[in-house]
Amino acid sequence: AQKVTQAQTEISVVEKEDVTLDCVYETRDTTYYLFWYKQPPSGELVFLIRRNSFDEQNEISGRYSWNFQKSTSSFNFTITASQVVDSAVYFCALSESIYNQGGKLIFGQGTELSVKP
Amino acid sequence: GAGVSQSPRYKVAKRGQDVALRCDPISGHVSLFWYQQALGQGPEFLTYFQNEAQLDKSGLPSDRFFAERPEGSVSTLKIQRTQQEDSAVYLCASSLRRDEQYFGPGTRLTVT
Repeated sequence: AQKVTQAQTEISVVEKEDVTLDCVYETRDTTYYLFWYKQPPSGELVFLIRRNSFDEQNEISGRYSWNFQKSTSSFNFTITASQVVDSAVYFCALSESIYNQGGKLIFGQGTELSVKP
Repeated sequence: GAGVSQSPRYKVAKRGQDVALRCDPISGHVSLFWYQQALGQGPEFLTYFQNEAQLDKSGLPSDRFFAERPEGSVSTLKIQRTQQEDSAVYLCASSLRRDEQYFGPGTRLTVT
């Protein structure tokens, strides 16, 4: 069965520190997609990134970077030089390629990141 | 452009009442999803529509939960005879096809 595990429940850092959020997934499918979403205190989930299982190239977007390693079933997220505005709950999610599921998301439990000034 | 909207944003229901939650997806988005998010947890899938067809309702927790999308646009999630364990945030998301899902602000349901 598919499953996403975010072992870190809460992380607290001081502004400008780098922080890595871990995500480990389980799936039997060979074609799948991985996502990261941010949920600020306002509550709305904000899409950050989508990667497919055939593309293991790491990605960087500004202060954000993602490390996808199929060998360890991990899709970790690093924020460089963290800022107070990065404080939020971050969710890792998985979707499989089964047609009539439409890409429904299986979420991890989330990691609450607190960045202090 | 306009994002996904949901109404009401907050709903308080007495145990046993019926409630209806509305979702307006992004215009043109074929896929629509409902998720339930309990406090301190990740969202959990409830049901999925492709246009007006409900293709997956495997996540609906009981037969008290019912969802529809009759014209392939607006969707309504109905909960009959609400129970305290139904208290949660109900999130709606839409996507163009199998792309990333865009979420609405959610409806926070409190059953007293």
